[in-house]
Parts: sequence; structure tokens; C-alpha cells
Amino acid sequence: QSALTQPASVSGSPGQSVTISCIGGHNDIGSYNYVSWYQQHPDKAPKLIIYDVSYRPSGVSDRFSASKSGNTASLTISGLQAEDEGRYYCFSYRGSTTSWVFGGGTSLTVL
Amino acid sequence: QVQLVQSGPEVRKPGASVRVACETSGYNFIDYGIAWVRLAPGQGLEWVGWVSPVNGQSNSAATLQGRVTLTTDTSTRISYMDLRNLRYDDTAVYFCARGGLGSLKDGLDVWGRGTRVTVSS
Repeated sequence: QSALTQPASVSGSPGQSVTISCIGGHNDIGSYNYVSWYQQHPDKAPKLIIYDVSYRPSGVSDRFSASKSGNTASLTISGLQAEDEGRYYCFSYRGSTTSWVFGGGTSLTVL
Repeated sequence: QVQLVQSGPEVRKPGASVRVACETSGYNFIDYGIAWVRLAPGQGLEWVGWVSPVNGQSNSAATLQGRVTLTTDTSTRISYMDLRNLRYDDTAVYFCARGGLGSLKDGLDVWGRGTRVTVSS
């Protein structure tokens, strides 16, 4: 099963905003509001930062926001901070295979 | 607090089997499902599967071609992932994570620290 498509890397300076896209298709992002996003630092477990397309779990900074349009989900991180560096993954249900699929992951560098 | 504690690292030869355990605490075990995710060296996260502790219903990635079995033991609050006929490309860190009962739509909100499985001859 092919992964959802994310850019390999993005970067930004402290205080700036960056947006990470997650491109799927009609069988996943396009048909279901079941997108979540995860942040992962090296040698750590992933952390849930967005669920149900655009909802933040308790305790997650409001600098993280997300949305969906058609077959593409997007995560925006505003007011970049050094601690935001890491790898970000989207995750969605895929109805055609009744399974779940991650994006390939995007490495964020804070310059 | 909610915790998922995983078993220790494993080394196996190709063709062997491995069992990874995920012991849960701090919440009502039957109110949530358990998902399994792996991270191979140099790769991205890969969904392995999901299991419900209510009725044992499970679903796994087609890429694992029936080699994986996910189970739960409600008496001990432990979820297990059994992977058979191991291949070199099964070398990865395997995570368990708490998710929904019928769906993972609300995300995987609590994760174990991961179990490293190495397949080597």
C-alpha cells in the first residue's frame, strides 16, 4: 500500500510559519475526515498533535493548526521554535483497503 | 497516568518468530483499541495493525501478508504482536499506541517507547 505523499523536508526561521502538505486520494483523505498528525523527535515515540483533521489534543500548543481541502491535508506551524524541529507524519484511513496509512514523513528544520 | 510499557529488544534469525508485549495501565482497557506501528531504519512510520480488546477483532496491513497476529489479554491488560517468518526488512522499532475501539479516527494519543526488533543471521 502506497504511503500518503509529504514533502521530504521543510525549513523556516524562528518566528516564521511553515506548512506541510499531505496528499492522498479519493479513497482516503478525499473521503474521510480521519486525518491525524504526529510529531516525532529522534529516538522518541511519536506524539499526537492533531486529530479528526483539525482538532488539537489537550496540551498541544495552538501554534499547530491543520485543515483539509479535497485530497490534501495540511499542517501549519506558526511562530516556529527550535523545539519544533523533528519529523512530522500525517495518518489517514483508506477505505479501499479498510486500513490505515501514514504519510512518508517530513523533516522540519528550524534555521 | 496512562502508560503503555513495551517488552525489551529482540534479536531473531530470518524465518523465526517474535512476540512483542504492550502492558497498559491508567485507563479502562476495554474502552480503547491498541494499534501497532513500526519504524524501520531510514524509513517512515508504517501502520502494522489494530486490535480491539472487547472482542479481539483485528485488522493488519496487507503488506505483512498474514504474518502478523494481534491479540489482547483483558485479564492482564496486555496486548501482543506476533510476527512470523521474519525477514531482514522486518528490522524496526515497533510501537504500540492507544486508539479508538472501532476506528482510529481520533488519533493515537498515548504511545509506548518502542521495542527494537533486529533480524540478523
